[in-house]
Amino acid sequence: DAGVIQSPRHEVTEMGQEVTLRCKPISGHDYLFWYRQTMMRGLELLIYFNNNVPIDDSGMPEDRFSAKMPNASFSTLKIQPSEPRDSAVYFCASSLSRGIGTGELFFGEGSRLTVL
Amino acid sequence: AQTVTQSQPEMSVQEAETVTLSCTYDTSENNYYLFWYKQPPSRQMILVIRQEAYKQQNATENRFSVNFQKAAKSFSLKISDSQLGDTAMYFCAFMKSPMNRDDKIIFGKGTRLHILP
Repeated sequence: DAGVIQSPRHEVTEMGQEVTLRCKPISGHDYLFWYRQTMMRGLELLIYFNNNVPIDDSGMPEDRFSAKMPNASFSTLKIQPSEPRDSAVYFCASSLSRGIGTGELFFGEGSRLTVL
Repeated sequence: AQTVTQSQPEMSVQEAETVTLSCTYDTSENNYYLFWYKQPPSRQMILVIRQEAYKQQNATENRFSVNFQKAAKSFSLKISDSQLGDTAMYFCAFMKSPMNRDDKIIFGKGTRLHILP
């Protein structure tokens, strides 16, 4: 299996620009998570989906952030407009249904975002 | 609400030594999973070891083992014969079992471990 695939791995952009991060979960996994990692705040859960439906977006910092999962094999996290404080590593992770799987999360390699 | 606390932000040990990373958690649940994840400098997080709360036996994976103390709500990770490749950030995590659709996996802040040659 190819694992969770994220793109881009690195993104440098200027304040005010739109940023789109992409994620392809492991085939067959029905949960998808978006995390943000910073030195100050550690690993924060932004939003997660079950069967392409957003379940909990309470971690999304503000309206500038939005996430979609149009189908079982693709999700996007969009920031518009971006700000310097959005600079972080953004991780996507997927897992099997909790009733079947053991809850293990499979992470992508992350997208490092730098907003100048 | 559940919380996970890792009290050691950073640790360093010599290669081949044994090191123990601490984790405590708070929950009123009786059944749950606990995890240790490793994040090496390459960034990708991988699962190191998993413990089911209803199992009294401590989980072991090669050089990695846990000391699970349910009453004390403690879940430490022991790395034996540490290797340079063990250098990473280690995260302790909690998941309720069974987990409802809107329950979350809770992560600690992490412990940065340096293995020195």
